[in-house]
Amino acid sequence: NAGVMQNPRHLVRRRGQEARLRCSPMKGHSHVYWYRQLPEEGLKFMVYLQKENIIDESGMPKERFSAEFPKEGPSILRIQQVVRGDSAAYFCASSPPLAAAVDTQYFGPGTRLTVL
Amino acid sequence: GENVEQHPSTLSVQEGDSAVIKCTYSDSASNYFPWYKQELGKGPQLIIDIRSNVGEKKDQRIAVTLNKTAKHFSLHITETQPEDSAVYFCAAGPNDYKLSFGAGTTVTVRA
Repeated sequence: NAGVMQNPRHLVRRRGQEARLRCSPMKGHSHVYWYRQLPEEGLKFMVYLQKENIIDESGMPKERFSAEFPKEGPSILRIQQVVRGDSAAYFCASSPPLAAAVDTQYFGPGTRLTVL
Repeated sequence: GENVEQHPSTLSVQEGDSAVIKCTYSDSASNYFPWYKQELGKGPQLIIDIRSNVGEKKDQRIAVTLNKTAKHFSLHITETQPEDSAVYFCAAGPNDYKLSFGAGTTVTVRA
């Protein structure tokens, strides 16, 4: 059973460009979470999604950031008009459906975004 | 919201000794307390978790204790080995989904 997959692993963008980060949850998992990790800091919750629904986006900046988890395909975290402060590692996690241990989150390897 | 504090920020131990990391949290609604190990360049990996109805849980050389009254929980690693060297994160959250993480402890096991 493959784990959570994220791509790309490393992404370099210039200021003003768009960044798209992809996350494929573990097989059978229907909940996806995105976190951001700044250097030498813990992870900060950004958004929680289920298929075709955003459940909680309270940790996501109001502007330039958006997330989706379509019926088919991976979850996408999109950052428009990137700025240097967006440079961080972005981690995706997934968990099983509510009937199982919904709060056991399994993390992907992360995407390291560098904004030049 | 939840605020999780983690201490110490760095910990160096001799191989074979024990390592203890402590975390405190602020929100009494938190019921789930996982611990993650993160190796360089990788994502956090769940190593053990504890829920509010349990005071202590053990898995081989790793144990976690929880004191809900005092709002703190701890990770204990016994008989440390070089492969235990990593950054360890505690987290706390309600049963549904949102986890708040501590800032991490960099553990170095000296051979």
